Amino acid sequence: EDQVTQSPEALRLQEGESSSLNCSYTVSGLRGLFWYRQDPGKGPEFLFTLYSAGEEKEKERLKATLTKKESFLHITAPKPEDSATYLCAVQSRLLQGAQKLVFGQGTRLTINP
Amino acid sequence: DVKVTQSSRYLVKRTGEKVFLECVQDMDHENMFWYRQDPGLGLRLIYFSYDVKMKEKGDIPEGYSVSREKKERFSLILESASTNQTSMYLCASSLYHRAPGYNQPQHFGDGTRLSIL
Repeated sequence: EDQVTQSPEALRLQEGESSSLNCSYTVSGLRGLFWYRQDPGKGPEFLFTLYSAGEEKEKERLKATLTKKESFLHITAPKPEDSATYLCAVQSRLLQGAQKLVFGQGTRLTINP
Repeated sequence: DVKVTQSSRYLVKRTGEKVFLECVQDMDHENMFWYRQDPGLGLRLIYFSYDVKMKEKGDIPEGYSVSREKKERFSLILESASTNQTSMYLCASSLYHRAPGYNQPQHFGDGTRLSIL
């Protein structure tokens, strides 16, 4: 059974204090790993897709990396507007041309000014 | 810009009622999905559709049905609402997966928070 575990559940940082969020996964044949950001009362917003070990993607203060067992979301010099829940999802197989995603439970990130 | 619109942000219904949740996307996406999101359980797939009138069960389809009569619209139906269906419901859409190694991301609406009393 495909599984995704995110840690920590919650993380509180000071503005400018860099850190990393972890997403560990077990999947039979990874076809893609997705990172989303979710603000309170909103739906998840797509950030990155990673396909193979060693791949990295960057967007502003965020950088996502991938190994064979886990992915990290590095946040450099975060600002209060980076506060959100970050979700990780893996895709292991296709269903009629649509992804079958398995989501982790998310990391709730709070950046204090 | 990508736009997935869910008809209601908040909904309160009574046990036993038939409930309809509506979702519309304006991106001409082939695939549409319904998830529920619960604290401690994350997002779980209820149903998805890969074409008009086509549907497939997800991980937790019991107590739900879906309808897709037009490409842009995907409805989730609670046949007889129960209190354990109180949840946040999220609709998503994506393009058809066209090539290996290039997966189209799913784009989400802002959700419907449904309370069953």
